[in-house]
Formats: sequence, structure tokens, C-alpha cells
Amino acid sequence: EVQLLESGGGLEQPGGSLRLSCAASGFTFSSYAMSWVRQAPGKGLEWVSTIIDSGGSTYYADSVKGRFTISRDNSKNTQYLQMNNLRAEDTAVYYCAKYSWASWYHGYFQHWGQGTLVTVSS
Amino acid sequence: DIQMTQSPSSLSASVGDRVTITCRASQSISSYLNWYQQKPGKAPKLLIYAASSLQSGVPSRFSGSGSGTDFTLTISSLQPEDFATYYCQQSYNTPITFGQGTRLEIK
Repeated sequence: EVQLLESGGGLEQPGGSLRLSCAASGFTFSSYAMSWVRQAPGKGLEWVSTIIDSGGSTYYADSVKGRFTISRDNSKNTQYLQMNNLRAEDTAVYYCAKYSWASWYHGYFQHWGQGTLVTVSS
Repeated sequence: DIQMTQSPSSLSASVGDRVTITCRASQSISSYLNWYQQKPGKAPKLLIYAASSLQSGVPSRFSGSGSGTDFTLTISSLQPEDFATYYCQQSYNTPITFGQGTRLEIK
């Protein structure tokens, strides 16, 4: 059974930093692209970032480009999202999602974690 | 960026009804269109991928169709557990984009 467990969320001040982690199990982690998708309170889903299986290519939404960095450690079956220069509009539940295959290309979010809440407020 | 527009934004229906939700892309996305169901406080769940392929374990009352710019999600006979919010999502190009969601409520 695929399991994705996010951690690292919490309350942070504007301009601060947080690092989210997603521990994966139940599948061959190194064979799949991984993503982060967020959902602001009462709003819809917004794709944030994707990293391919090897970690060699990464993709970002314009809203986070230059501030967030996605990475993965295939030896630990874990992906990360380093979030810097946080803004109030980054407040959301952040979901870790397993992609359908190794690349982002033409696929889908096959499995989702339960999410971790990030609140940016002074 | 490819804009995804769902209609309606909300819908009231009864158990046993046949329901159709529409998703329109701002440009052709071939069949790279996926559908998700989300219940309050829960993570989204994949229902349909590649426009019409049913994800394993999803009841057969769910079906998807379309290609190019116009897509539909149909629930043939609503069950109590189907009341939720539904999202379409394109993976034709980055940035990956979602529709705004359709909230399906009990009449």
C-alpha cells in the first residue's frame, strides 16, 4: 500500500522559512516523479512543484519560483520542499503527491498524502 | 498557461440522479485530462486519468469522456458517498493546472 506522510508544517512569520518533508513507502520511490500541491483555506488545488525520478529536473509554479526548492533523497524515500521568503498567500495545506511515472509529462497525481498545514502570519 | 474552467461551480442533486460536470481547456490538451474527488478535510483522490480511464478501485458509475478542449465527468447514479468537490487537471504542459472545482451537494 502506498503511503505518503508529510511533516514540517506550522506557523511562520512573513519572510521566514520552512522545510516540508514527505516520507514515502509501499512503492519503488526512485522510479516515480513526486510533486507538491497546495490548497489555501476554502480554495481550490494549486500545483506547486514536481521533481522527476532521478532528481535531475525540477518544475515550479510561477508563484513560488525563486523562493521554493524541491528536492529528494532516493536513499531515504523522502522528498522535500524548502520554502523561503514566505508570504501570507503561501498559507495552505501542502499535499505530497506521487506522480504516475518517472517524469511529469502527461501523467497524473496517482496517490496523495494527508497534507500538512503551513500558516504564514505575524 | 492553460486555463481550466469547470461548470457548473456548484450543483445540487439527489441520490440516484445522473450528473455531468464539464471541464473546458483554454487550448487543446489532447486527452491529458484527469479528474479528482475531494471530500471535506481529506486529500484529493484520483478518479479518472487520460480523460476516460478509470483508476483502479473507483466504482464504474464514474466515467469520463472528451478530447481536445472539452471534457465531461459523469456519475451515472449518485450515491451518498459521492457528494464532494470534483476537480479537473491538465498535464499537457507545465504549469500543471486545475479547474476551480465543482461542489456537488445533496438536494
